[in-house]
Amino acid sequence: GAGVSQSPSNKVTEKGKDVELRCDPISGHTALYWYRQRLGQGLEFLIYFQGNSAPDKSGLPSDRFSAERTGESVSTLTIQRTQQEDSAVYLCASSFSQNSRGYTFGSGTRLTVV
Amino acid sequence: AQKITQTQPGMFVQEKEAVTLDCTYDTSDQSYGLFWYKQPSSGEMIFLIYQGSYDEQNATEGRYSLNFQKARKSANLVISASQLGDSAMYFCAMRAENTGFQKLVFGTGTRLLVSP
Repeated sequence: GAGVSQSPSNKVTEKGKDVELRCDPISGHTALYWYRQRLGQGLEFLIYFQGNSAPDKSGLPSDRFSAERTGESVSTLTIQRTQQEDSAVYLCASSFSQNSRGYTFGSGTRLTVV
Repeated sequence: AQKITQTQPGMFVQEKEAVTLDCTYDTSDQSYGLFWYKQPSSGEMIFLIYQGSYDEQNATEGRYSLNFQKARKSANLVISASQLGDSAMYFCAMRAENTGFQKLVFGTGTRLLVSP
C-alpha cells in the first residue's frame, strides 16, 4: 500500500480482556517496528521484525505482550489480560532495510483500557 | 545503551522567526545516526532530517537544519522562518549504525507552538 496502515485506529477494552493490534507495512519493506507512546511521553521501542523473525523482543514490557509477523507483511501485536497501564498509542513503522534512513510510521492504534 | 535528552518540554515562537530545539545524546557507539521527527496532533510521525555521526557537514532539508556538535554530543534542530503549521511535537532519536539491528531510541519530545 501507499503507507503503513494500522487497525483499529481506536480500541476501548475492559481490563482483563485480550486485544490484537494490526499493522500492514509498506509493500517490500522488510523491517517492521512496534513502539508504544504513553500520553505526553516519547516512543518506547517494543519489538522489531526482520522478515518473519524478531531478533530483539527485549522491549516487550511483560509476557502478556507478544507479536508475530506473516512473511514480510502483516504484523499483529497481542496484549493478553490488559491492564490500565497498557493504555497508550501503539505505533508501527516499517523500513526498506535495516540501514534505511526512512522509517515510515502508521497513524497508530489508541488503546484505552477501562 | 543509547540515551536521548530533550530538556525543553515546550517552546514558543512567533511566525517567521527561527527556533532551535535542543537535543543531547549519549552513546558508546562510534557510528550512529541522529533523526528528528515531527508529530502533529493527528499523531503520525513525520521524518524531518538525518545526520550521520561521520558526516562532516550539518544536514539541511529545506527550512530544517541540524546543528551537529559531536564533541558536545548535541544535535539541535533549527527551524527557520517558522510557520503556523510547524506547531507540533518534535522528537529527537538515534540509532547505532555498527550493528545489524537498527532500532530508534527516542527522546521525550518538545512541543512547539507557533503564534501569528
